[in-house]
Amino acid sequence: NAGVTQTPKFRILKIGQSMTLQCTQDMNHNYMYWYRQDPGMGLKLIYYSVGAGITDKGEVPNGYNVSRSTTEDFPLRLELAAPSQTSVYFCASSSDRVGYGYTFGSGTRLTVV
Amino acid sequence: QKEVEQDPGPLSVPEGAIVSLNCTYSNSAFQYFMWYRQYSRKGPELLMYTYSSGNKEDGRFTAQVDKSSKYISLFIRDSQPSDSATYLCAMNPNQAGTALIFGKGTTLSVSS
Repeated sequence: NAGVTQTPKFRILKIGQSMTLQCTQDMNHNYMYWYRQDPGMGLKLIYYSVGAGITDKGEVPNGYNVSRSTTEDFPLRLELAAPSQTSVYFCASSSDRVGYGYTFGSGTRLTVV
Repeated sequence: QKEVEQDPGPLSVPEGAIVSLNCTYSNSAFQYFMWYRQYSRKGPELLMYTYSSGNKEDGRFTAQVDKSSKYISLFIRDSQPSDSATYLCAMNPNQAGTALIFGKGTTLSVSS
Protein backbone atom coordinates (compact mmCIF):
# COMPACT_ATOMS: atom_id res chain seq x y z
CA ASN A 1 0.00 0.00 0.00
CA ALA A 2 1.39 3.36 -1.02
CA GLY A 3 -0.97 5.32 1.27
CA VAL A 4 -0.72 9.06 0.53
CA THR A 5 1.84 10.10 -2.06
CA GLN A 6 2.99 13.70 -2.41
CA THR A 7 5.12 15.14 -5.17
CA PRO A 8 7.50 16.88 -5.40
CA LYS A 9 9.37 16.40 -2.12
CA PHE A 10 11.28 19.66 -2.49
CA ARG A 11 10.84 22.76 -4.61
CA ILE A 12 12.28 26.24 -4.84
CA LEU A 13 10.05 28.86 -6.47
CA LYS A 14 10.72 32.44 -7.40
CA ILE A 15 8.30 35.12 -6.25
CA GLY A 16 5.37 35.32 -8.62
CA GLN A 17 5.75 31.81 -10.04
CA SER A 18 2.98 29.23 -9.82
CA MET A 19 3.04 25.52 -9.13
CA THR A 20 0.85 22.56 -8.27
CA LEU A 21 1.55 20.24 -5.36
CA GLN A 22 0.29 16.79 -6.16
CA CYS A 23 -1.42 14.44 -3.71
CA THR A 24 -2.73 10.95 -4.45
CA GLN A 25 -4.16 8.33 -2.11
CA ASP A 26 -4.94 4.71 -2.86
CA MET A 27 -7.11 3.90 0.18
CA ASN A 28 -10.42 5.02 -1.34
CA HIS A 29 -10.78 7.67 1.37
CA ASN A 30 -13.50 10.24 0.86
CA TYR A 31 -11.91 12.93 3.05
CA MET A 32 -8.73 14.69 2.02
CA TYR A 33 -6.90 17.66 3.51
CA TRP A 34 -4.06 20.06 2.88
CA TYR A 35 -2.14 21.44 5.85
CA ARG A 36 0.90 23.67 6.05
CA GLN A 37 3.43 23.41 8.85
CA ASP A 38 5.65 26.30 9.83
CA PRO A 39 8.35 25.97 12.53
CA GLY A 40 6.80 26.13 16.00
CA MET A 41 3.34 26.78 14.56
CA GLY A 42 1.81 23.34 14.25
CA LEU A 43 -0.39 22.33 11.34
CA LYS A 44 -2.77 24.83 9.78
CA LEU A 45 -5.61 23.64 7.54
CA ILE A 46 -5.58 25.18 4.06
CA TYR A 47 -8.37 23.33 2.24
CA TYR A 48 -10.25 20.12 2.63
CA SER A 49 -12.57 17.92 0.60
CA VAL A 50 -15.32 15.53 1.68
CA GLY A 51 -15.57 13.83 -1.69
CA ALA A 52 -15.02 14.22 -5.40
CA GLY A 53 -16.30 17.58 -6.60
CA ILE A 54 -16.63 19.05 -3.08
CA THR A 55 -14.02 21.31 -1.52
CA ASP A 56 -14.04 23.93 1.21
CA LYS A 57 -11.72 26.45 2.78
CA GLY A 58 -9.81 25.87 5.98
CA GLU A 59 -8.09 28.32 8.29
CA VAL A 60 -5.48 29.72 5.86
CA PRO A 61 -6.80 29.44 2.25
CA ASN A 62 -5.55 32.74 0.81
CA GLY A 63 -3.11 32.28 -2.07
CA TYR A 64 -4.14 28.67 -2.72
CA ASN A 65 -6.67 26.78 -4.79
CA VAL A 66 -7.72 23.15 -4.91
CA SER A 67 -9.78 20.80 -7.02
CA ARG A 68 -11.06 17.28 -6.47
CA SER A 69 -12.11 15.65 -9.73
CA THR A 70 -11.48 12.08 -8.52
CA THR A 71 -11.52 10.30 -5.17
CA GLU A 72 -7.78 9.62 -5.43
CA ASP A 73 -6.34 13.05 -6.30
CA PHE A 74 -6.38 16.35 -4.44
CA PRO A 75 -3.88 18.82 -5.98
CA LEU A 76 -3.04 22.14 -4.34
CA ARG A 77 -2.35 25.08 -6.62
CA LEU A 78 -0.19 28.05 -5.63
CA GLU A 79 -0.71 31.12 -7.77
CA LEU A 80 1.73 34.05 -7.63
CA ALA A 81 4.01 32.53 -5.00
CA ALA A 82 5.05 34.78 -2.10
CA PRO A 83 7.79 34.32 0.55
CA SER A 84 5.03 33.84 3.16
CA GLN A 85 4.18 30.57 1.42
CA THR A 86 7.56 29.10 2.32
CA SER A 87 6.53 26.10 4.40
CA VAL A 88 6.18 22.34 4.55
CA TYR A 89 2.93 21.16 3.00
CA PHE A 90 1.23 17.96 4.09
CA CYS A 91 -1.63 16.19 2.40
CA ALA A 92 -3.74 13.78 4.45
CA SER A 93 -6.74 11.55 3.96
CA SER A 94 -9.26 9.79 6.19
CA SER A 95 -12.16 7.41 5.74
CA ASP A 96 -14.57 9.36 7.94
CA ARG A 97 -15.26 12.83 9.25
CA VAL A 98 -14.05 12.14 12.75
CA GLY A 99 -10.66 11.17 11.52
CA TYR A 100 -9.74 8.09 13.45
CA GLY A 101 -6.29 8.66 12.21
CA TYR A 102 -5.46 10.80 9.29
CA THR A 103 -2.92 9.20 6.97
CA PHE A 104 -0.36 11.82 6.04
CA GLY A 105 1.95 12.03 3.08
CA SER A 106 5.65 12.67 3.58
CA GLY A 107 5.34 16.36 2.78
CA THR A 108 6.56 18.89 0.23
CA ARG A 109 9.19 21.40 1.36
CA LEU A 110 8.61 24.62 -0.54
CA THR A 111 10.88 27.65 -0.50
CA VAL A 112 9.86 30.88 -2.21
CA VAL A 113 12.75 33.25 -2.93
CA GLN B 1 -7.43 32.28 23.54
CA LYS B 2 -6.35 29.76 20.93
CA GLU B 3 -8.52 26.69 20.48
CA VAL B 4 -5.70 24.28 21.30
CA GLU B 5 -2.67 25.17 23.41
CA GLN B 6 0.43 23.01 23.60
CA ASP B 7 3.82 23.86 25.10
CA PRO B 8 6.35 23.48 22.26
CA GLY B 9 9.21 22.58 24.62
CA PRO B 10 11.79 21.35 23.83
CA LEU B 11 11.67 18.65 26.48
CA SER B 12 14.83 16.64 27.21
CA VAL B 13 14.79 13.53 29.40
CA PRO B 14 17.14 10.60 30.09
CA GLU B 15 16.32 7.14 28.83
CA GLY B 16 13.87 5.34 31.11
CA ALA B 17 12.15 8.51 32.35
CA ILE B 18 8.39 8.98 32.46
CA VAL B 19 7.32 11.73 30.08
CA SER B 20 4.16 13.79 30.40
CA LEU B 21 2.89 15.80 27.42
CA ASN B 22 -0.16 18.03 27.72
CA CYS B 23 -2.64 20.13 25.79
CA THR B 24 -5.45 22.41 26.84
CA TYR B 25 -8.38 23.46 24.72
CA SER B 26 -11.20 25.96 24.83
CA ASN B 27 -13.95 24.45 22.62
CA SER B 28 -16.26 22.26 24.69
CA ALA B 29 -17.60 20.72 21.47
CA PHE B 30 -14.42 18.68 20.99
CA GLN B 31 -15.20 15.01 21.40
CA TYR B 32 -12.36 13.16 19.69
CA PHE B 33 -8.81 13.52 20.91
CA MET B 34 -5.70 12.22 19.26
CA TRP B 35 -1.95 12.21 19.62
CA TYR B 36 0.29 12.16 16.58
CA ARG B 37 4.02 11.53 16.52
CA GLN B 38 6.19 13.21 13.93
CA TYR B 39 9.80 12.27 13.31
CA SER B 40 12.11 14.82 11.77
CA ARG B 41 11.33 15.47 8.09
CA LYS B 42 8.45 12.98 8.11
CA GLY B 43 4.67 13.27 8.10
CA PRO B 44 2.73 12.88 11.37
CA GLU B 45 1.48 9.40 12.25
CA LEU B 46 -1.35 8.52 14.61
CA LEU B 47 -0.18 7.30 18.00
CA MET B 48 -3.32 7.24 20.18
CA TYR B 49 -6.94 8.33 20.01
CA THR B 50 -9.61 8.71 22.69
CA TYR B 51 -13.30 9.50 22.55
CA SER B 52 -14.66 11.80 25.27
CA SER B 53 -13.22 11.55 28.78
CA GLY B 54 -11.18 8.70 30.19
CA ASN B 55 -7.93 6.83 29.81
CA LYS B 56 -6.53 4.62 27.10
CA GLU B 57 -3.37 2.55 27.34
CA ASP B 58 -1.27 1.04 24.58
CA GLY B 59 2.01 -0.47 25.66
CA ARG B 60 4.21 2.26 27.12
CA PHE B 61 1.75 4.98 26.11
CA THR B 62 -1.28 6.24 28.06
CA ALA B 63 -3.66 8.93 26.83
CA GLN B 64 -5.90 10.76 29.29
CA VAL B 65 -8.76 13.16 28.62
CA ASP B 66 -10.39 15.35 31.27
CA LYS B 67 -13.23 17.17 29.54
CA SER B 68 -14.29 18.98 32.70
CA SER B 69 -10.89 20.69 32.79
CA LYS B 70 -10.47 20.76 28.99
CA TYR B 71 -7.10 19.06 29.41
CA ILE B 72 -5.53 16.08 27.69
CA SER B 73 -2.29 14.26 28.44
CA LEU B 74 0.00 11.68 26.92
CA PHE B 75 2.27 9.69 29.22
CA ILE B 76 5.25 7.73 27.98
CA ARG B 77 6.72 5.19 30.38
CA ASP B 78 10.28 3.87 30.15
CA SER B 79 11.10 6.39 27.45
CA GLN B 80 13.52 5.30 24.71
CA PRO B 81 15.77 7.27 22.35
CA SER B 82 13.45 6.12 19.56
CA ASP B 83 10.69 8.18 21.22
CA SER B 84 12.59 11.34 20.28
CA ALA B 85 10.14 13.18 18.03
CA THR B 86 7.56 15.95 17.99
CA TYR B 87 4.23 15.03 19.56
CA LEU B 88 1.12 16.84 18.34
CA CYS B 89 -2.25 16.75 20.02
CA ALA B 90 -5.28 16.97 17.73
CA MET B 91 -9.01 17.36 18.34
CA ASN B 92 -12.21 17.20 16.34
CA PRO B 93 -15.76 18.20 17.26
CA ASN B 94 -17.13 15.78 14.63
CA GLN B 95 -19.37 18.38 13.10
CA ALA B 96 -20.05 18.95 9.42
CA GLY B 97 -17.44 21.18 7.89
CA THR B 98 -14.78 20.53 10.48
CA ALA B 99 -11.39 18.87 10.43
CA LEU B 100 -8.75 17.99 12.98
CA ILE B 101 -7.32 20.98 14.81
CA PHE B 102 -3.71 20.48 15.87
CA GLY B 103 -1.65 21.85 18.70
CA LYS B 104 1.75 23.33 17.89
CA GLY B 105 3.56 20.15 18.95
CA THR B 106 6.05 19.40 21.73
CA THR B 107 9.56 18.35 20.72
CA LEU B 108 10.90 15.53 22.90
CA SER B 109 14.50 14.35 23.08
CA VAL B 110 15.38 11.16 24.98
CA SER B 111 19.08 10.70 25.63
CA SER B 112 20.72 7.32 26.18
